[in-house]
Amino acid sequence: QVQLQESGPGLVKPSETLSLTCTVSGGSIRSYFWSWIRQSPGKGLEWIGHIYDSGRTNYSPSLKSRVLMSVDTSKNQFSLSLSSVTAADTAIYYCGRVVADIVAIDIWGQGALVTVSS
Amino acid sequence: SRDLTQQPSVSVSPGQTARITCSGDALSNQYTYWYHQKPGQAPSLVIYKDTERPSGIPERFSGSTSGTTVTLTISGVQAVDEGDYYCQSVDSNSGYSWVFGGGTKLTVL
Repeated sequence: QVQLQESGPGLVKPSETLSLTCTVSGGSIRSYFWSWIRQSPGKGLEWIGHIYDSGRTNYSPSLKSRVLMSVDTSKNQFSLSLSSVTAADTAIYYCGRVVADIVAIDIWGQGALVTVSS
Repeated sequence: SRDLTQQPSVSVSPGQTARITCSGDALSNQYTYWYHQKPGQAPSLVIYKDTERPSGIPERFSGSTSGTTVTLTISGVQAVDEGDYYCQSVDSNSGYSWVFGGGTKLTVL
């Protein structure tokens, strides 16, 4: 079955760029769009944005100035970059597969904790 | 953005009915989705497009909508239903960005 796995540094210094990759296994990255969601410790879910297999993106208005997403169909991966991070960006970052027909995340990665600290 | 509001907590005894509500202007013309998150786990979808259940989700989960308020109803609550429930919709006034409610913690007594 399809599985998603986030990977990347667990510790990022303030003002630097957070970078995460989500690897899709057991299925193709094509014909879906892909999402990044984060959850600060003890808090609720926050949508970061989507990327389509074509590379088209849709970002959260509150993060748009700092977010960049990309997709590599040859590697079945998509990535997130978040620049100029602060402690407020400390969170578990989830990647997810969005089924276009229902416009909801049907498969989630296990999540990756990223801590912003010097 | 148009926020979604959920009650912080709901507590019910096993076998009873739990109702979790989500309200917001965005819900008047956009679908609502519900996700369940158990501690230490990623969320999972339990209702999509207001009332539809994904395959594998028990019939005790149902969704309904009335104006700008949507309700997730869990009939015959079981201990495995405990956790946080998040509603999610789309803000058509903000580039169709996704918005989540603050979450409701369901406790099974």
